[in-house]
Amino acid sequence: KAGVTQTPRYLIKTRGQQVTLSCSPISGHRSVSWYQQTPGQGLQFLFEYFSETQRNKGNFPGRFSGRQFSNSRSEMNVSTLELGDSALYLCASSLPPAQPETQYFGPGTRLLVL
Amino acid sequence: SQQGEEDPQALSIQEGENATMNCSYKTSINNLQWYRQNSGRGLVHLILIRSNEREKHSGRLRVTLDTSKKSSSLLITASRAADTASYFCATDARNTPLVFGKGTRLSVIA
Repeated sequence: KAGVTQTPRYLIKTRGQQVTLSCSPISGHRSVSWYQQTPGQGLQFLFEYFSETQRNKGNFPGRFSGRQFSNSRSEMNVSTLELGDSALYLCASSLPPAQPETQYFGPGTRLLVL
Repeated sequence: SQQGEEDPQALSIQEGENATMNCSYKTSINNLQWYRQNSGRGLVHLILIRSNEREKHSGRLRVTLDTSKKSSSLLITASRAADTASYFCATDARNTPLVFGKGTRLSVIA
């Protein structure tokens, strides 16, 4: 099976712009989670989608949003970018409702905000 | 705040030596998982240990879990240069997302 894919891999934006990141999960996986990784804060959970519904949400401002499509592909959007949004954004898919859930990560999108 | 905290933050060893990393967490968990991340890339699942298990092995990896101390350790035996990476523990409770620690950066010197 193909792994989790994320596009684009690298992105440079300026403050105030918005950005959309895409994630295609492993075939058959219906849950997609997003994480933000920075040197200072480590890996922080953004949100999780399952069957097109947001199942969990982390402690991020409303500028961060996401959605999931009927084919389980997911997108996350960050509006009004700030310098602090520079990070590696990781997407992971899993196969709920099996417990425990192992997450399969994509390679990430590295976002630089100037 | 994050659930898991790894210790040490960084570890440097010679090839062939064993590497031990520790993880402590704060609340009751269902499972604890360990992941590896090569520089700037996605995480790879290594091993999962359930809350009712005390020890688990997978190849050169050995994980222990002490729920009374809310801690886990990951031992990599006979380390190789290819083991150089960051290692994260992640905890979960039912219907809650995985919570990751900040990781241990392991350098294995050939």
